[in-house]
Amino acid sequence: GAVVSQHPSRVICKSGTSVKIECRSLDFQATTMFWYRQFPKQSLMLMATSNEGSKATYEQGVEKDKFLINHASLTLSTLTVTSAHPEDSSFYICSAILSSSYEQYFGPGTRLTVT
Amino acid sequence: QKEVEQNSGPLSVPEGAIASLNCTYSDRGSQSFFWYRQYSGKSPELIMFIYSNGDKEDGRFTAQLNKASQYVSLLIRDSQPSDSATYLCAATTGGFKTIFGAGTRLFVKA
Repeated sequence: GAVVSQHPSRVICKSGTSVKIECRSLDFQATTMFWYRQFPKQSLMLMATSNEGSKATYEQGVEKDKFLINHASLTLSTLTVTSAHPEDSSFYICSAILSSSYEQYFGPGTRLTVT
Repeated sequence: QKEVEQNSGPLSVPEGAIASLNCTYSDRGSQSFFWYRQYSGKSPELIMFIYSNGDKEDGRFTAQLNKASQYVSLLIRDSQPSDSATYLCAATTGGFKTIFGAGTRLFVKA
């Protein structure tokens, strides 16, 4: 299957700071990537759809000014959590989709802890 | 609202048995269906996808799709303790939007 990487895998930051998470499709080009958040023992929650060369589409209830998404190339999307607070602590997972088959491949995730 | 429904479980089966995981979806326009496996603390891993009515087999896994009943299932033969995980069912509707179920926890007892 296709490979998606995410960096960093784990980050601890202080409240009020910003954190950037990178998502890369390593062996295919992805015009569409997704960002999810998952709290412990809960299901995946789609935050936004990242489209190469255009603005991201955010799900209801997700603040676009707090979760900045940039998809500047066909292999890279970034999520920046601005002014992070402890309640933003979660497991953030990106995915990229194969346009030919709709198969969605996930990155390994980033565990964010805001102290 | 488009939904994908799964029994949360846990589903407990003995080692070597067949585990049967079920999923229903509400949007008749759904075209592609996927099963993902997620171990605790890890991201989901694609294990099967199916587009057409009927069965699709891959090793110990068989996916079954019945579009008339809006039903998708995953059978795991010769279940192993390493199969213990949460299994997510997903359906792709219009465009690239994928709707995920909440997942079924499977526990395979040694």
